[in-house]
Amino acid sequence: GAVVSQHPSRVICKSGTSVKIECRSLDFQATTMFWYRQFPKQSLMLMATSNEGSKATYEQGVEKDKFLINHASLTLSTLTVTSAHPEDSSFYICSAQPGLARISGTDTQYFGPGTRLTVL
Amino acid sequence: AQSVSQHNHHVILSEAASLELGCNYSYGGTVNLFWYVQYPGQHLQLLLKYFSGDPLVKGIKGFEAEFIKSKFSFNLRKPSVQWSDTAEYFCAVNADNQGGKLIFGQGTELSVKP
Repeated sequence: GAVVSQHPSRVICKSGTSVKIECRSLDFQATTMFWYRQFPKQSLMLMATSNEGSKATYEQGVEKDKFLINHASLTLSTLTVTSAHPEDSSFYICSAQPGLARISGTDTQYFGPGTRLTVL
Repeated sequence: AQSVSQHNHHVILSEAASLELGCNYSYGGTVNLFWYVQYPGQHLQLLLKYFSGDPLVKGIKGFEAEFIKSKFSFNLRKPSVQWSDTAEYFCAVNADNQGGKLIFGQGTELSVKP
């Protein structure tokens, strides 16, 4: 089956530092990946759509300068939390959909295991 | 704007009991509907999905869901739960013209007592 990995699985950093989270599709190529944020006991909130070869599309209320997304290849997207603060502490999850065509609403997305970010 | 509502925050059942988790969405156009499950310490996995056709869809592990368009609902059911079904269940929706963007419900935590 399609597998998506994330690295690191857990990171603790000091306030003011930047943290990079990687999302990789291990056995398929993906033109589009998604980044979500999940607070404890709450749902997943879509942050942005990562597009290979072009700029990411951010959801309303998400600061693009705060959460930098780079879709460097068809198997890798990175999310960098810049100048992290304690309120950025959360669980970050990515998803990807196999295929090189523009993603369709009927296609299945495969989710990574998530990255737990704690900012002290 | 689209939204998804799951009515039950935490459901506790004994093994062999029947399960029904509610999911309602708000969106006037064509939607695609999903149920995902997140077992403790694991990533989200797709249980089932509905795009078109028969409104009663069957998924993995004995789960099924029924799309009732008039009620904007997509409830998840299982006739007899097992202890291994203990997990968090998420209903999700995307509009057919939204390029795959998923809107998730709040999630329902299911605890099955042996």
